[in-house]
Amino acid sequence: DQQVKQNSPSLSVQEGRISILNCDYTNSMFDYFLWYKKYPAEGPTFLISISSIKDKNEDGRFTVFLNKSAKHLSLHIVPSQPGDSAVYFCAATPSNDYKLSFGAGTTVTVRA
Amino acid sequence: DTGVSQNPRHKITKRGQNVTFRCDPISEHNRLYWYRQTLGQGPEFLTYFQNEAQLEKSRLLSDRFSAERPKGSFSTLEIQRTEQGDSAMYLCASSLRTTNEKLFFGSGTQLSVL
Repeated sequence: DQQVKQNSPSLSVQEGRISILNCDYTNSMFDYFLWYKKYPAEGPTFLISISSIKDKNEDGRFTVFLNKSAKHLSLHIVPSQPGDSAVYFCAATPSNDYKLSFGAGTTVTVRA
Repeated sequence: DTGVSQNPRHKITKRGQNVTFRCDPISEHNRLYWYRQTLGQGPEFLTYFQNEAQLEKSRLLSDRFSAERPKGSFSTLEIQRTEQGDSAMYLCASSLRTTNEKLFFGSGTQLSVL
């Protein structure tokens, strides 16, 4: 039962343009959301998070938007850089829990 | 902060053999997690320790799997009588708190069962 879904397995974007990654969830108990970035042969590294009390959180080039009514969040990367080429995982959890539920990931390729 | 360390990085074994992986969390983190990731999927929760106590095991963790965290420091994950379906990346993570706390992951152990 996939509670977190990333329906786009891959995304190709030109350097300098915006990357938009989407994530949908089904569990209404989820109220804390995270994005992780993973390079080959490395573990996932935390990128940015958002609590359900907010609808936007920004950290440098990365912004996460949360639409609770649609059970949808997105990650915007502006501008995209070659070093952003990686797999991005969306994760969610109830804030009183410790288990993260991950999506299947989106592979981002930034073209020079 | 030396990060979460996992050993070995790669393990190739024959079906039916036992394997053991080790995880050293970030030193001040008292919470430790094991996840499993298969190709094309995101990490899936396996088990969780708070200090030395194993507080939850996923139904993904069959009787052939056992995890320990003696003295609340490093952890081991053992798989007995390995099967080809056990082939995956086994990820360890640690954190300081449970709520709204990001997990720090190790680089994982890639298991291949032949």
